[in-house]
Amino acid sequence: GQNIDQPTEMTATEGAIVQINCTYQTSGFNGLFWYQQHAGEAPTFLSYNVLDGLEEKGRFSSFLSRSKGYSYLLLKELQMKDSASYLCAVRDRNSGTYKYIFGTGTRLKVLA
Amino acid sequence: EAQVTQNPRYLITVTGKKLTVTCSQNMNHEYMSWYRQDPGLGLRQIYYSMNVEVTDKGDVPEGYKVSRKEKRNFPLILESPSPNQTSLYFCASRMPGQGLYEQYFGPGTRLTVT
Repeated sequence: GQNIDQPTEMTATEGAIVQINCTYQTSGFNGLFWYQQHAGEAPTFLSYNVLDGLEEKGRFSSFLSRSKGYSYLLLKELQMKDSASYLCAVRDRNSGTYKYIFGTGTRLKVLA
Repeated sequence: EAQVTQNPRYLITVTGKKLTVTCSQNMNHEYMSWYRQDPGLGLRQIYYSMNVEVTDKGDVPEGYKVSRKEKRNFPLILESPSPNQTSLYFCASRMPGQGLYEQYFGPGTRLTVT
């Protein structure tokens, strides 16, 4: 079946580095996305991986291993404004259509 | 400004009273989708549309209907709402095909069914 797992909650200190892991199972993997969502707001796009390896984008990096069904989001130089939920999502392609499966999200608290 | 809009943003209604949540995008996107978000369950896809007059069920389509008569609009219809449809709903759109075409989300509609 299709499934995505990520930790429910994490806590880190301002200025530190945090890694949020995501494992997935899908039948037609077609890309992995990370979104940030502040409480009560819409998700906003952070990163995209479709090939194995690391994608870097400023303070945010995302890694993918398709053979292991594993990804992580790395946040460096944490700031208070990074306190939010981080959603891992997989795009699944089946018969020419595209569905999205989201994990339940990881709530990150950044402490001063 | 490129955006996805939803209306209403907040709605309290009663069981069985038909309602429609509108979604509109001004980016000429072909792909549109509806999600519901519930605590502990994350975002779950309700319906999606690859293009005009083409719609498909997501993971939780029961109790919902959609239509896609024009590219910019993708309304979500609850014919007979029930309390278990109380949720936060998001509409999203993106360009078609694969590759880096991230979804743009609307601001959300918080629905309460009593």
